Amino acid sequence: DTAVSQTPKYLVTQMGNDKSIKCEQNLGHDTMYWYKQDSKKFLKIMFSYNNKELIINETVPNRFSPKSPDKAHLNLHINSLELGDSAVYFCASSPPARDRIHSNYGYTFGSGTRLTVV
Amino acid sequence: KNQVEQSPQSLIILEGKNCTLQCNYTVSPFSNLRWYKQDTGRGPVSLTIMTFSENTKSNGRYTATLDADTKQSSLHITASQLSDSASYICVVSTGNQFYFGTGTSLTVIP
Repeated sequence: DTAVSQTPKYLVTQMGNDKSIKCEQNLGHDTMYWYKQDSKKFLKIMFSYNNKELIINETVPNRFSPKSPDKAHLNLHINSLELGDSAVYFCASSPPARDRIHSNYGYTFGSGTRLTVV
Repeated sequence: KNQVEQSPQSLIILEGKNCTLQCNYTVSPFSNLRWYKQDTGRGPVSLTIMTFSENTKSNGRYTATLDADTKQSSLHITASQLSDSASYICVVSTGNQFYFGTGTSLTVIP
């Protein structure tokens, strides 16, 4: 019973294409995130959504756009893909701030989507 | 500037041995510090979480320590197993934002 699930697990696509990565959580968390992990394994936050409101938006290209149809989903759309977009993208979720310290789940990650742009 | 630095960058140890990973941070205000284990090809999984008032937390063979005065944390792994081979990531939170270290890659060899 996966807590945070992402699809697809692998994605290979050509430069210039538009693609989406889906993320769903069944933990009842109210905040979801997208992270990019580069080749050096460094995790960098891209976006977070709290109750459909964007609350963190790091300096990522506007080709990347998060879309949240409801509290349990945060999808990542990428337009005009570039070679440098190749990375592993992780979705994560967290409960309300007041619960984060005591929650056994706390901040939970998906298994990642490996995107390769050729 | 809020930063989290980990050392060593990589570590190779023999199965059964102990090891200690370090995390130094400059994040402020401090809310909590987490250690995550990330197996190859998988997402990070939480090992421990500590708040300002806690200076040690154990999870099986993993023991994390926190010195909030010096802003240092360590993760000690006892009697290492092959399955401990992974990246270990230190994450410091202000409550609303999370700052990730670059991780320590641990390889346990038989």
